[in-house]
Amino acid sequence: DAKTTQPTSMDCAEGRAANLPCNHSTISGNEYVYWYRQIHSQGPQYIIHGLKNNETNEMASLIITEDRKSSTLILPHATLRDTAVYYCIVRVARNSGNTPLVFGKGTRLSVIA
Amino acid sequence: GAVVSQHPSWVICKSGTSVKIECRSLDFQATTMFWYRQFPKQSLMLMATSNEGSKATYEQGVEKDKFLINHASLTLSTLTVTSAHPEDSSFYICSARASASNQPQHFGDGTRLSIL
Repeated sequence: DAKTTQPTSMDCAEGRAANLPCNHSTISGNEYVYWYRQIHSQGPQYIIHGLKNNETNEMASLIITEDRKSSTLILPHATLRDTAVYYCIVRVARNSGNTPLVFGKGTRLSVIA
Repeated sequence: GAVVSQHPSWVICKSGTSVKIECRSLDFQATTMFWYRQFPKQSLMLMATSNEGSKATYEQGVEKDKFLINHASLTLSTLTVTSAHPEDSSFYICSARASASNQPQHFGDGTRLSIL
């Protein structure tokens, strides 16, 4: 699976949009981009995933560039409870379904009041 | 939907004892379950992948005789840390995925294991 690069940390003011970037320049055509977050002392929480089109759900929006080499996770109105480590993971969707998510170091987002 | 329940959430025990951690998919059938370990200030590290009814596949450096994994049904996997020692103290997290391969993995809330 392709490697991802994320900034180590970011700050965001409460109520503003948080834009978390991710580079995955070696992504191949059958690899999805997944975003998870981990709040302190909890298991990772699924946020969103996509292949090539932009995606939106109740938690966030995922913007994938046309060449698919980078993406941005957008939390439209960040709250203090969004403070967490955010992981961008690229994973191929193989028929067996056996391939696990491999976590990098992620971005530590601090939402500030 | 897609809830993964992990039990216990924390455990403290003496060195040399064995500890069993349960992972259940509550509202879906999990063909594949994964076990991760996380040390303080580090990211999650995959320990093993288990498929229902077959032997688990362990990552390099993970001792299969020390970390026993059983995946007896489509909704339950267990991890037993045998003869635990202080260096096994960690945050253990299980994850499960439904059969469709591009579906997201869902995670339990983790088990904090402290060996005295």
